Amino acid sequence: DAGVTQTPRHEVAEKGQTIILKCEPVSGHNDLFWYRQTKIQGLELLSYFRSKSLMEDGGAFKDRFKAEMLNSSFSTLKIQPTEPKDSAVYLCASSSGQNTLYFGAGTRLSVL
Amino acid sequence: GQQVQQSPASLVLQEGENAELQCNFSTSLNSMQWFYQRPGGSLVSLFYNPSGTKHSGRLTSTTVIKERRSSLHISSSQTTDSGTYLCALGLNTEGADRLTFGKGTQLIIQP
Repeated sequence: DAGVTQTPRHEVAEKGQTIILKCEPVSGHNDLFWYRQTKIQGLELLSYFRSKSLMEDGGAFKDRFKAEMLNSSFSTLKIQPTEPKDSAVYLCASSSGQNTLYFGAGTRLSVL
Repeated sequence: GQQVQQSPASLVLQEGENAELQCNFSTSLNSMQWFYQRPGGSLVSLFYNPSGTKHSGRLTSTTVIKERRSSLHISSSQTTDSGTYLCALGLNTEGADRLTFGKGTQLIIQP
């Protein structure tokens, strides 16, 4: 079985650009999460979907971050417009609703 | 304040030594998980351990709810154990939602 797939692995953007990160969860998993990881803040939850319904929209990240899940096997995270402080690793994870969370390899975003 | 605190922030050991990683939390616990992350890699779940002690090979996780702490013990460390270890506190007894992560312990095992 394939794990969680994230694309691209690396993204470089100019300040003000729009970028879209992609995630394919483990087949059959109903829960999907987007996290941001930085050295200073650690892992922060951006969005959480259960059966394609948005359960958590990340509070402070609502402004320029939008996650969507158009079908059960694909999710996107759009950042618009990007700012240098958005530079981080963006992680997608999925779960079957049990206790184990499966993470993708992440997308490393650099905003210049 | 931060709900989940991990210590130490970094740890350097010689191969063969034992490692003890700590996770302390300031809120009521319903679930506790430990993850491992290799540099540049994804997180891998090591333990789901809301209470008591669990073993997996050279790894042991112990969670003491009333003391609001969880520990991860690595015996006879190997260079391949190097990486970042994160604990995560869950608010629900089932499922992986709303996990709050600590900032991790960076473990370096020298040959």
